[in-house]
Amino acid sequence: ELKVEQNPLFLSMQEGKNYTIYCNYSTTSDRLYWYRQDPGKSLESLFVLLSNGAVKQEGRLMASLDTKARLSTLHITAAVHDLSATYFCAVNSGGSNYKLTFGKGTLLTVNP
Amino acid sequence: GAVVSQHPSWVICKSGTSVKIECRSLDFQATTMFWYRQFPKQSLMLMATSNEGSKATYEQGVEKDKFLINHASLTLSTLTVTSAHPEDSSFYICSASAGVPQETQYFGPGTRLLVL
Repeated sequence: ELKVEQNPLFLSMQEGKNYTIYCNYSTTSDRLYWYRQDPGKSLESLFVLLSNGAVKQEGRLMASLDTKARLSTLHITAAVHDLSATYFCAVNSGGSNYKLTFGKGTLLTVNP
Repeated sequence: GAVVSQHPSWVICKSGTSVKIECRSLDFQATTMFWYRQFPKQSLMLMATSNEGSKATYEQGVEKDKFLINHASLTLSTLTVTSAHPEDSSFYICSASAGVPQETQYFGPGTRLLVL
């Protein structure tokens, strides 16, 4: 059974600081996703990582994937208050239906 | 492109009644749709996977007779919560994919269900 672990689960940081969220998964997968969720809202897709060594950046967020270590990171650079949200990683468990298994999420609070 | 809608966005019902939630892919044909449930401050838990024209595949621990899923067309899947109870109160989110290899899931806006 595929397990996805995120850490930290809670992250409070000051504006302007950098930090990294980690996502470990237990079995081989062919893709990994990062999503953002604002309170009371559904998921917003941030990144899809398809191969070992993949790195994608959008604004202050950068995601990377190491399939050998079964590890993905979401790096936040110079955080701003607008980045406050819950961030989920999700891993495709394979098979024909592309089922996703989600991590528990990281609640990020960026303080002025 | 790749827009998924859900209706209703909010529903309040009495215990014992049934509630139907619709999930539509607006601009693409979704061969596969997924239904998730999310309790407050928790992650998304997959309930079932439905493929157009066939029976849904339920995850372990999800009662198929309680959560009826129908995927009658390539753009519509419905989830019916039968005989709802307060513990069924949750945020229900659907997603859809075109089903081609390595296709991304597109998420709907969610339906918040409150059972009194």
